[in-house]
Amino acid sequence: SYDLTQPPSVSVSPGQTATITCSGDNLENYYTCWYRKKPGQSPDLVIYRDNKRPSGIPDRYSGSNSGNTATLTISETQSLDEADYFCQAWDSTIGRAFGGGTKLTIL
Amino acid sequence: QVQLQESGPGLVNPSETLSLTCNVSGASVSSSYWSWVRQPPGRGLEWLAYTHYSASTNFNPSLNGRVTISLDTSTNQLSLKLTSVTAADTAVYFCARDQPVYGGFDYWGQGTLVTVSS
Repeated sequence: SYDLTQPPSVSVSPGQTATITCSGDNLENYYTCWYRKKPGQSPDLVIYRDNKRPSGIPDRYSGSNSGNTATLTISETQSLDEADYFCQAWDSTIGRAFGGGTKLTIL
Repeated sequence: QVQLQESGPGLVNPSETLSLTCNVSGASVSSSYWSWVRQPPGRGLEWLAYTHYSASTNFNPSLNGRVTISLDTSTNQLSLKLTSVTAADTAVYFCARDQPVYGGFDYWGQGTLVTVSS
């Protein structure tokens, strides 16, 4: 199976920029996407195809994917951004692998 | 609006088979890929399997062949079977629409908790 590694937690103050990384072997060769999940809710897609935002997701959310690392960046963080964030690599050869998740805390 | 709703028993005995159904409305199950995902209590998301109307399927190898996934176009439903369950299979199970145009899952069910216990 394909392994993706995320930091367990990231903490920022309101208004600061949060950066969450996702590492995997040659990750740039696969589409990556990011999900935001709050307790008791189903996940929301916030970034797809490395750097695209679904409708309804604010432009404070951005993504990139290069080499072995994909990155989710959330600028001007707000309390409502506090959630668990999961990266996913998507490809017919590896399936739909998830990272272990990162808990984002807005202090 | 696409909506997905999981259903099935909330309690399964160890060594038995877990069976879930996902009812899809607002879209045809023959129009996309569909996946099952689970989240054990206090842990992360785990992709289980995907399927497509063309019969293309792919499974998470960590499940060691215990998973079956299928589509029923007559009822517009997706189903999951997981055999020989143990307490480690206790989780919230989600179905999701798996969209190549996104390279991700754009619609999810609300999830259903399945507990494996005697």
